Amino acid sequence: ETGVTQSPTHLIKTRGQQVTLRCSSQSGHNTVSWYQQALGQGPQFIFQYYREEENGRGNFPPRFSGLQFPNYSSELNVNALELDDSALYLCASSLEDRLNTIYFGEGSWLTVV
Amino acid sequence: AQSVTQLGSHVSVSEGALVLLRCNYSSSVPPYLFWYVQYPNQGLQLLLKYTTGATLVKGINGFEAEFKKSETSFHLTKPSAHMSDAAEYFCAVTKDMEYGNKLVFGAGTILRVKS
Repeated sequence: ETGVTQSPTHLIKTRGQQVTLRCSSQSGHNTVSWYQQALGQGPQFIFQYYREEENGRGNFPPRFSGLQFPNYSSELNVNALELDDSALYLCASSLEDRLNTIYFGEGSWLTVV
Repeated sequence: AQSVTQLGSHVSVSEGALVLLRCNYSSSVPPYLFWYVQYPNQGLQLLLKYTTGATLVKGINGFEAEFKKSETSFHLTKPSAHMSDAAEYFCAVTKDMEYGNKLVFGAGTILRVKS
């Protein structure tokens, strides 16, 4: 039990649609990041939020965006879905003073058809 | 830029045998290193981590890893494999603990344990 909860667990979207994935972290976890894990690959860093502001981004286009809220929840939004966006999306969080202890949620499986 | 190479996308061992999963990294600065395990249809669970100090790190479920700076390696071992160890294992590195969640992962190694 990591204390990081993601929803939905599975969803199917059509190419061109938009999707919002949600993550709820433990109290005090004010650093949250999102990863994309395509089938058969390791997770790839999308972006990180600290105290509701983006403070780091991987090699993902602007149609990937996020939000972090004061209640330690966050969202990943993906616009104009493409078939290659089909993947497991993982949320990870940590305490500000224990950044080397990172907790992952179980992920949201997105299938784009 | 940092990178992680995991040698062997699939490793198969017999129950009770030694488990050795290899990880080599590249980093321009002293790294922080992690091993995660992923069971089917689940998220990532931290096995162990190296930040500073002792280079031999012990983790959960009997796993350990040794940081060897001269070899830029962080191999994962377990003396005796159990059927429940069958999973996918990921090595990860980060150099910047100020933004601690920016992990760079390897491609993963699937461990199969034969009875």
